Amino acid sequence: SYVLTQPPSVSGAPGETARITCGGNNIGIKSVYWYQQRPGQAPMMVISFDSDRPSGIPERFSGSNSGNTATLTISRVEAGDEADYYCQVWDGSSEQGVFGGGTKLTVL
Amino acid sequence: QVQLQESGPGPVKPSESLSLTCSVSGGSVSSRSYYWGWIRQPPGKGLEWIGSIYYTGSAYYNLSLKSRVTMSVDTSKNQFSLRLRSVTAADTAVYYCARQRSGSYFMPWGQGTLVTVSS
Repeated sequence: SYVLTQPPSVSGAPGETARITCGGNNIGIKSVYWYQQRPGQAPMMVISFDSDRPSGIPERFSGSNSGNTATLTISRVEAGDEADYYCQVWDGSSEQGVFGGGTKLTVL
Repeated sequence: QVQLQESGPGPVKPSESLSLTCSVSGGSVSSRSYYWGWIRQPPGKGLEWIGSIYYTGSAYYNLSLKSRVTMSVDTSKNQFSLRLRSVTAADTAVYYCARQRSGSYFMPWGQGTLVTVSS
């Protein structure tokens, strides 16, 4: 089965840039989706199709995907960005939804 | 805008079945562009996809849960449902329902409902 690997934690000071990676075998040929989950809330998509921002998501959030790694980049990090972030793909070869293990972003 | 709301009977005993329903408002489960999915999250852990179903009843299930899962759709009530058999404490989780664009992302999500498996 397809596996997505994320670092358990990432931190950054306000105003800095935070990067969260999502590793998977040849993930560059798949579409990657990123979700933000604040404590006690349901996940909310912040990036679709590798790099598209849904309506209402700040331009500070961006995504890229190439080779074996997809990356969520949060520029000018704010306290309100502190949350868990999950990557997700749909593995068409097995018709399975796959989530990464999640990364906790701590704003210092 | 589409909204989803999970509902269920509450705590479940080990070896019994867990049943949840997701009510959809502001949109139709019969939409040809979307599947309807279930995702769960054990306390303090990450997200796990359970399965996704189309309005025709065609469904994809997580291979690790496939032997215990059944999903269904009721287009007359604009709802879809999850049944998980032979539950154990490991099935204790917040269960979310979500709309899934065919073969891609999940959005929006319901608020989630905590199901506790305990004797």
